[in-house]
Amino acid sequence: SQTIHQWPATLVQPVGSPLSLECTVEGTSNPNLYWYRQAAGRGLQLLFYSVGIGQISSEVPQNLSASRPQDRQFILSSKKLLLSDSGFYLCAWRSTGVNEQFFGPGTRLTVL
Amino acid sequence: AQSVTQPDIHITVSEGASLELRCNYSYGATPYLFWYVQSPGQGLQLLLKYFSGDTLVQGIKGFEAEFKRSQSSFNLRKPSVHWSDAAEYFCAVGTTDSWGKFQFGAGTQVVVTP
Repeated sequence: SQTIHQWPATLVQPVGSPLSLECTVEGTSNPNLYWYRQAAGRGLQLLFYSVGIGQISSEVPQNLSASRPQDRQFILSSKKLLLSDSGFYLCAWRSTGVNEQFFGPGTRLTVL
Repeated sequence: AQSVTQPDIHITVSEGASLELRCNYSYGATPYLFWYVQSPGQGLQLLLKYFSGDTLVQGIKGFEAEFKRSQSSFNLRKPSVHWSDAAEYFCAVGTTDSWGKFQFGAGTQVVVTP
């Protein structure tokens, strides 16, 4: 069966520090991968999506970037965090041709 | 572009009472529609989905939803709520292209009282 992992589960970082969040999927090949951010009291905002290794599409301009160095690995990064980057970050995957997305457990990021 | 509206930010319901959560969508083609549930600090769990066919779909945990094309709605219902149904619920519309992007509503927080 397929599983999706995210780490770390929680993270507290100072303003201006770098960021790296990791998402990995097991049990499937060539998934579509997605990064979402959920700010307090808001819905989910799609940040990035990827349909293959090295292929990244950005939905909104922001302080973050994403990379997909391996088929089942998706990384969310920042060189310098802002206070507004605080939130709950969710990774999701989808098999090509299947319409539903499956979500990871999320990472709670607090920028102080 | 697709969009999703969940008009109710917060709903309080008594245990054992019925629950209905509203969702309205905008999409140029036949939509793929989903309801997800999120417990505090957790990821999202799929409750049910609609792609085509029967407009009344059954999901997990006793939930069902009805697709009404004329009203552009996909409302979620449960006949009798349990305390464990307290959570946040998200409606989503998915694109039918190869990217499969989702647009989520802002969510409805459900509180269950004894």
